[in-house]
Amino acid sequence: NAGVMQNPRHLVRRRGQEARLRCSPMKGHSHVYWYRQLPEEGLKFMVYLQKENIIDESGMPKERFSAEFPKEGPSILRIQQVVRGDSAAYFCASSPLRDYGYTFGSGTRLTVV
Amino acid sequence: KQEVTQIPAALSVPEGENLVLNCSFTDSAIYNLQWFRQDPGKGLTSLLLIQSSQREQTSGRLNASLDKSSGRSTLYIAASQPGDSATYLCAAPNSGNTPLVFGKGTRLSVIA
Repeated sequence: NAGVMQNPRHLVRRRGQEARLRCSPMKGHSHVYWYRQLPEEGLKFMVYLQKENIIDESGMPKERFSAEFPKEGPSILRIQQVVRGDSAAYFCASSPLRDYGYTFGSGTRLTVV
Repeated sequence: KQEVTQIPAALSVPEGENLVLNCSFTDSAIYNLQWFRQDPGKGLTSLLLIQSSQREQTSGRLNASLDKSSGRSTLYIAASQPGDSATYLCAAPNSGNTPLVFGKGTRLSVIA
């Protein structure tokens, strides 16, 4: 079992470009969670998805950010028209059931220049 | 809304010492609590998951306890080693449901 796979590990984007972050959950896990970690700050929840459904997006900024978890393929976190403040580490976690423990990926470190 | 607090924010101990990390949460209607470790620039590694029906969990030199009534959990590390140096994060669900809410962590340094 390869664990939770995130790619790319590092992503550099110029201001105004789009960033696409991918997350493949562990085999058998249908619940996916995205978190953002800013330097010297804690992990902040962004969005919780199940296959083809957004369950909770209360932590997602209203503009420029979107997430999906299609029936086939990885979950995608998309950030449009990136700004310097989007620079952070973005982590994905998965679980087999809603009240089971989370397994995290290694994260994608986004740098906006 | 769940809030998770961890104290101390940083801790430095000599190798071999036993230590306790503290975590408190405001909403006790949780179904589990999870402790993680994060090394600099890395992802999170799950250490222990305590279900609400349990009072503690053990893995090697690590022991985590859960007291829902007081809204507290502790992570006990026995015979600390330099390799234990990392940030330790406590996380509890938001008002009994997902998602996990994280504390800001305790940054541990074990000095050889």
